[in-house]
Amino acid sequence: GAGVSQTPSNKVTEKGKYVELRCDPISGHTALYWYRQSLGQGPEFLIYFQGTGAADDSGLPNDRFFAVRPEGSVSTLKIQRTERGDSAVYLCASSLSVESDTQYFGPGTRLTVL
Amino acid sequence: DQQVKQNSPSLSVQEGRISILNCDYTNSMFDYFLWYKKYPAEGPTFLISISSIKDKNEDGRFTVFLNKSAKHLSLHIVPSQPGDSAVYFCAASDYYQGGSEKLVFGKGTKLTVNP
Repeated sequence: GAGVSQTPSNKVTEKGKYVELRCDPISGHTALYWYRQSLGQGPEFLIYFQGTGAADDSGLPNDRFFAVRPEGSVSTLKIQRTERGDSAVYLCASSLSVESDTQYFGPGTRLTVL
Repeated sequence: DQQVKQNSPSLSVQEGRISILNCDYTNSMFDYFLWYKKYPAEGPTFLISISSIKDKNEDGRFTVFLNKSAKHLSLHIVPSQPGDSAVYFCAASDYYQGGSEKLVFGKGTKLTVNP
C-alpha cells in the first residue's frame, strides 16, 4: 500500500515569506506527527495529532509555526515569516492509532530559506 | 541536553561480519526504544523495537539488546550486507508510562558495509 507522502519534496523560499508543507498519512492511520531534521542531527519532534486535534504541540519552536489537520487525514505545517534557521528537512510520520507503537515516516520536505 | 546519545558518528564493517551500533539514554522514564534506518533523500524506515520489559528482541539478522541499569541499548546486525549501509537512528519514548507518543532521536550513526 501507499506510504506517507509529503509535498513538495523541495521548497526554496526567501527570508520573511510564508510556506506550507503538506503531509498525506497512510490511509486509516489516526495519529500524525511532524518532526524537523537539521543537518547532522536526528529528527526533532514538533507536533502530534490524534484525529483532528493537536494532542501535543510542545515541540513547535515559536508561534511562527502552526499545523492543522482539519479532517483527520491530511495535515499542513505552516511557517510564517520564515528565517534562515528554519532551513531543515521536515518529516511527517503516521501511526495506526494512539496505542500503535510504530511511526512510519514520509520522505520529507527539504526547506531552504535564503 | 541530549537525552538519546549515539556517540559513534560512523562505523565501517566488512561484509559478512557483525555490525554493532550503540545508543545511550539519560531519561529513566523512557520505556520504549526503536531503531530506524535512513537512506539519503528518504525518510527513516522502522527497523526493530524493544520495550523496557524485555532485554532482547530479535528479527532476522537484527537483534536489539537493552540494558536498563546502564541505560544502554545496542543493535546487532549479523551478517552485515552492503545494502545495510545507511544512517541508523536510535529513538526512545516514555509512552507506556503514560507519557507522550513523541520520539526522541539520537544524532545517528552512519554504517558502511564494505564488500
